[in-house]
Amino acid sequence: EAGVAQSPRYKIIEKRQSVAFWCNPISGHATLYWYQQILGQGPKLLIQFQNNGVVDDSQLPKDRFSAERLKGVDSTLKIQPAKLEDSAVYLCASSTFRGANPTYEQYFGPGTRLTVT
Amino acid sequence: GQQLNQSPQSMFIQEGEDVSMNCTSSSIFNTWLWYKQDPGEGPVLLIALYKAGELTSNGRLTAQFGITRKDSFLNISASIPSDVGIYFCATGANSKLTFGKGITLSVRP
Repeated sequence: EAGVAQSPRYKIIEKRQSVAFWCNPISGHATLYWYQQILGQGPKLLIQFQNNGVVDDSQLPKDRFSAERLKGVDSTLKIQPAKLEDSAVYLCASSTFRGANPTYEQYFGPGTRLTVT
Repeated sequence: GQQLNQSPQSMFIQEGEDVSMNCTSSSIFNTWLWYKQDPGEGPVLLIALYKAGELTSNGRLTAQFGITRKDSFLNISASIPSDVGIYFCATGANSKLTFGKGITLSVRP
């Protein structure tokens, strides 16, 4: 079974530029998550999708970050314009369902390391 | 927001030794998980715990869900070089995970 795919693996941009990250979850996983992981910290949830709908985006800085999952499969996360403090690893994860709710057993992709200069 | 406490930040052990790490919270949770992250990779799920007092093993790894539901422990026995990495605890609530800051484990050959 293929894991969660992410691209690109690395990206270097200047502040005020825009950037987009792509994620393809494990086949059949209805729930998709984007996390931000700053160096020395654990992953922090940015947004959670269930199929193509947003379940939770309370920690997404909506003035500069946006995400979509139009067909309920792959997803993109965009930052526009980027700030220095956006330098981090952006992780995508997916999970399946147990009963009516997503399981807590999330499977992560390798991440995209973003450096903003 | 809720915080998970993992300490120390780093641990150094000799190959072959056992190591224990714990994670505590001021809040009660119904789900505790342990993940390991290797450099340049995403976290990988090691063990998930769903019941207070539950003790679960995965090879040389054993994790326990504290009976107070405010803590969890991970034990690695007979450590090997590939155990090097960052170990995160996480709790599940409202379909979301919250992660601790992680403990970096180094294993000396």
